[in-house]
Amino acid sequence: GEDVEQSLFLSVREGDSSVINCTYTDSSSTYLYWYKQEPGAGLQLLTYIFSNMDMKQDQRLTVLLNKKDKHLSLRIADTQTGDSAIYFCALGGSYIPTFGRGTSLIVHP
Amino acid sequence: DADVTQTPRNRITKTGKRIMLECSQTKGHDRMYWYRQDPGLGLRLIYYSFDVKDINKGEISDGYSVSRQAQAKFSLSLESAIPNQTALYFCATSDRTGGNNEQFFGPGTRLTVL
Repeated sequence: GEDVEQSLFLSVREGDSSVINCTYTDSSSTYLYWYKQEPGAGLQLLTYIFSNMDMKQDQRLTVLLNKKDKHLSLRIADTQTGDSAIYFCALGGSYIPTFGRGTSLIVHP
Repeated sequence: DADVTQTPRNRITKTGKRIMLECSQTKGHDRMYWYRQDPGLGLRLIYYSFDVKDINKGEISDGYSVSRQAQAKFSLSLESAIPNQTALYFCATSDRTGGNNEQFFGPGTRLTVL
């Protein structure tokens, strides 16, 4: 089955850029997602990218997909304290997505 | 109003008790899922249902059962709760006609088994 790996923690200073990385094994997924989980809440889709794209930008968010290396990243520019959350990488298509373990982003002043 | 609701939000119970967690959705989606979340382990799929008459086991279904009472309702039962079932439980929905198969999550139920 699909294996999706993320580091568990990332600590950044407010105003800096954050880069959350994800690697995976199966390259057949149609969509690659980033979900955000704020404290005390469920996951919410933050952004996603089609497997035939290399990059997607949405305001402060940049998603990069390197299919050759099976590597997905999420860059958050000008990170704010409100960005503190757990970020999940997920891969999917027409069936059930496979989630990574989540990266806890800690933003300190 | 929340589109995916879960009840209860918190529950403390004792080993051996039967527990039911409920999920309701107003999104009109046909697909529903139950996950559990444990620190450092991420989300693991317990059961999923693609339609009212369709029930499928996920990767960790042992000790759990589900019922899809209607398109909008999907309940998770622990027949005899044990302490290692202490976790955060999420219900989610998705639309099979949705282009990106986005999953919509409820707020979660925090279950503690003593």
